[in-house]
Amino acid sequence: KAGVTQTPRYLIKTRGQQVTLSCSPISGHRSVSWYQQTPGQGLQFLFEYFSETQRNKGNFPGRFSGRQFSNSRSEMNVSTLELGDSALYLCASSFWGLGQETQYFGPGTRLLVL
Amino acid sequence: QQQVKQSPQSLIVQKGGISIINCAYENTAFDYFPWYQQFPGKGPALLIAIRPDVSEKKEGRFTISFNKSAKQFSLHIMDSQPGDSATYFCAASRGTGFQKLVFGTGTRLLVSP
Repeated sequence: KAGVTQTPRYLIKTRGQQVTLSCSPISGHRSVSWYQQTPGQGLQFLFEYFSETQRNKGNFPGRFSGRQFSNSRSEMNVSTLELGDSALYLCASSFWGLGQETQYFGPGTRLLVL
Repeated sequence: QQQVKQSPQSLIVQKGGISIINCAYENTAFDYFPWYQQFPGKGPALLIAIRPDVSEKKEGRFTISFNKSAKQFSLHIMDSQPGDSATYFCAASRGTGFQKLVFGTGTRLLVSP
């Protein structure tokens, strides 16, 4: 079974630009969550999508947005990038039900904002 | 109230020893408590999780102990091995699924040979 795929793996942008990150979950997983990981703030929840609907949202400004497609693939977008947006962005796909609870994180996209 | 406090920040354990990492939470609405292991350059990996209706859960060398009244839970790694050297995160969430996880600050574990 293929793991969670995130593209691109590395990205360098400048302040004010926008960026789109992509996540392909494990086949059969309908829930996709996004997290930001930084040395200072640790792992922080961004949002979660389930069957193309945003089910939960974290405490991030509106510059951070996301969506999920019918094949469960998800994208997150950050507009008007700031230096503080430099981080590792992690996507996690999960399955919950039928007595199972599984979750897998992707390797992340490392974003550097200059 | 959303915080999960994790300690220690770093830990050095001899091979074969027991590694213990502790977490405390405030929000009594939390009802799912997973632990994650993260190696450099990788995403976190789910290790083991517990719900408040049990006080202990064991999977292989990994055990979660849960104290509902104290709002604390801990991870014990028995017979620690150098391959266990990684950063460990506790987390908490409410409801079904891995929704809106609140993570601890992480513990960097080094198991010396």
